[in-house]
Amino acid sequence: GQSLEQPSEVTAVEGAIVQINCTYQTSGFYGLSWYQQHDGGAPTFLSYNGLDGLEETGRFSSFLSRSDSYGYLLLQELQMKDSASYFCAVRDSSGGGYQKVTFGTGTKLQVIP
Amino acid sequence: DGGITQSPKYLFRKEGQNVTLSCEQNLNHDAMYWYRQDPGQGLRLIYYSQIVNDFQKGDIAEGYSVSREKKESFPLTVTSAQKNPTAFYLCASKQGALSGANVLTFGAGSRLTVL
Repeated sequence: GQSLEQPSEVTAVEGAIVQINCTYQTSGFYGLSWYQQHDGGAPTFLSYNGLDGLEETGRFSSFLSRSDSYGYLLLQELQMKDSASYFCAVRDSSGGGYQKVTFGTGTKLQVIP
Repeated sequence: DGGITQSPKYLFRKEGQNVTLSCEQNLNHDAMYWYRQDPGQGLRLIYYSQIVNDFQKGDIAEGYSVSREKKESFPLTVTSAQKNPTAFYLCASKQGALSGANVLTFGAGSRLTVL
């Protein structure tokens, strides 16, 4: 089956840069996405990588290396409101179709003053 | 505005009762999903549907059932066979294209508590 591993917790200082890693094992890989979830809320989409390389969206960037089954989310100029949980997710064909989306274990980011 | 509506937001159930959670989307998305989230945990896939009248089991389907009779609707039934149903349930949808960004849009969630 598929699995996605992330660090459980990360603490960083306001204004700094933080990187959240994600390693995955899956079959029929169709891309890696990142989501943010504040406590009590629903996840919201942040970034997507279908091909190797870096994608930049404002303060957030995401990287993918398919040969290493590895990706990361980079958050720059951290703000207090960035304190949340971050999830990586893969779409693959392991379920017999092509729309199965599996989420990682999540990384709780705490931004401190 | 387009989006996903989940109801009820909070639900209490007695042991041994079945309960159905509603999920409706007006985004014209082909694929729909149900996830379960326990406190401090990640999202675990219960069921997903790629098109109308089709659905597949996710990683934790035991004790749950779904239907997809209409494109807009993907209700989830939590049956009495689910041993520990107290959790936060999230419904999501995405466009059914083979390629393109894997963007899931989520509803606000339904919090189920078994008394």
